[in-house]
Amino acid sequence: GAGVSQTPSNKVTEKGKYVELRCDPISGHTALYWYRQSLGQGPEFLIYFQGTGAADDSGLPNDRFFAVRPEGSVSTLKIQRTERGDSAVYLCASSLDFADTQYFGPGTRLTVL
Amino acid sequence: AQSVTQPDIHITVSEGASLELRCNYSYGATPYLFWYVQSPGQGLQLLLKYFSGDTLVQGIKGFEAEFKRSQSSFNLRKPSVHWSDAAEYFCAVGAGNTPLVFGKGTRLSVIA
Repeated sequence: GAGVSQTPSNKVTEKGKYVELRCDPISGHTALYWYRQSLGQGPEFLIYFQGTGAADDSGLPNDRFFAVRPEGSVSTLKIQRTERGDSAVYLCASSLDFADTQYFGPGTRLTVL
Repeated sequence: AQSVTQPDIHITVSEGASLELRCNYSYGATPYLFWYVQSPGQGLQLLLKYFSGDTLVQGIKGFEAEFKRSQSSFNLRKPSVHWSDAAEYFCAVGAGNTPLVFGKGTRLSVIA
């Protein structure tokens, strides 16, 4: 079946602009995660959804970052007033339930000029 | 706090040689342990996982890993490496109610 998909695959923006990154989880997966991977690092947790609600957003670096999952399926990560330090690959993962294996999408590479 | 250490940033092995990638973790409870592989421009693919039971875990592509609680380790092994195994490998730890914590990764190069 279809895996986790993320759009766009690449996003280039200017400092100060607003961006939205989309994640389509595997059908039927109730848990959805966002991670950020900087160059030479492992993925770092940002936020986790169980259904429509954000169960844990402790990894969001500041209030410029926000994520939604209004219908319990697709999720959008929103970044306001982007900064050059936000440049990274943003990974989305989904799982059947929180404790289950996470399956990752290909990521969105965000470049802030 | 949970943490994962992958001591080797980069490893080079010859095709056909054996491989061991090291992973040490710090975790307060019984951990769930994972190895993921990431090829250039690709997402993370799960190689294997340990939740409980047999401490020697078999995964895809001929990989295996052994959980050693006394050493807080979960090293990944493969008896004979193929050129297609060249990639970045990530060890991760979690539990039933926490997100995954990843190591910084080990880049594997395979030479002829």
